[in-house]
Amino acid sequence: EAQVTQNPRYLITVTGKKLTVTCSQNMNHEYMSWYRQDPGLGLRQIYYSMNVEVTDKGDVPEGYKVSRKEKRNFPLILESPSPNQTSLYFCASSLIGQPQHFGDGTRLSIL
Amino acid sequence: SQKIEQNSEALNIQEGKTATLTCNYTNYSPAYLQWYRQDPGRGPVFLLLIRENEKEKRKERLKVTFDTTLKQSLFHITASQPADSATYLCASWEGSARQLTFGSGTQLTVLP
Repeated sequence: EAQVTQNPRYLITVTGKKLTVTCSQNMNHEYMSWYRQDPGLGLRQIYYSMNVEVTDKGDVPEGYKVSRKEKRNFPLILESPSPNQTSLYFCASSLIGQPQHFGDGTRLSIL
Repeated sequence: SQKIEQNSEALNIQEGKTATLTCNYTNYSPAYLQWYRQDPGRGPVFLLLIRENEKEKRKERLKVTFDTTLKQSLFHITASQPADSATYLCASWEGSARQLTFGSGTQLTVLP
């Protein structure tokens, strides 16, 4: 089954404790992206990647890092999380320019 | 950068009626617009894509239009059902920037 898998689905953590949210897709898509979704603000793109070792900033990249060492994986790293990064995060993948397939989201709470 | 406005945060309609959702973009005409459905606690699911040079696309009870003069796309659900209740998102693909920009969505409730 074609899917985008994110882990964990839920995480409560504390300020400053590094965390990684993993994202994996099994569709051989070149394009992968991370979004955060906040009430009233919609989905905002954090980072995206056109292919292995190619990543670019989206609209809200501050406080986040990504890497794309393999085509199927695109982890999101918060080196020093802060409460304003509490949000619902989505990973997505697609062929370039095509409709995106989304994961089921990671709800992150930073205390 | 592009800004996408979905000017109804919430829309309630009676079952059987046609729901019409609006999406406006503010800057340059996007290569295409996409519409997604999002259910609570789930990721968005792609519904329809319409290109700049297309006036209308249909899929079953769904219809999307693209008016470059008005800088607007309309999304219609005919013969609406309670199961159509969800949040609907409009997104603009910016080919040069390789980015998908989303509106904040319209929450549709179809009342039985």
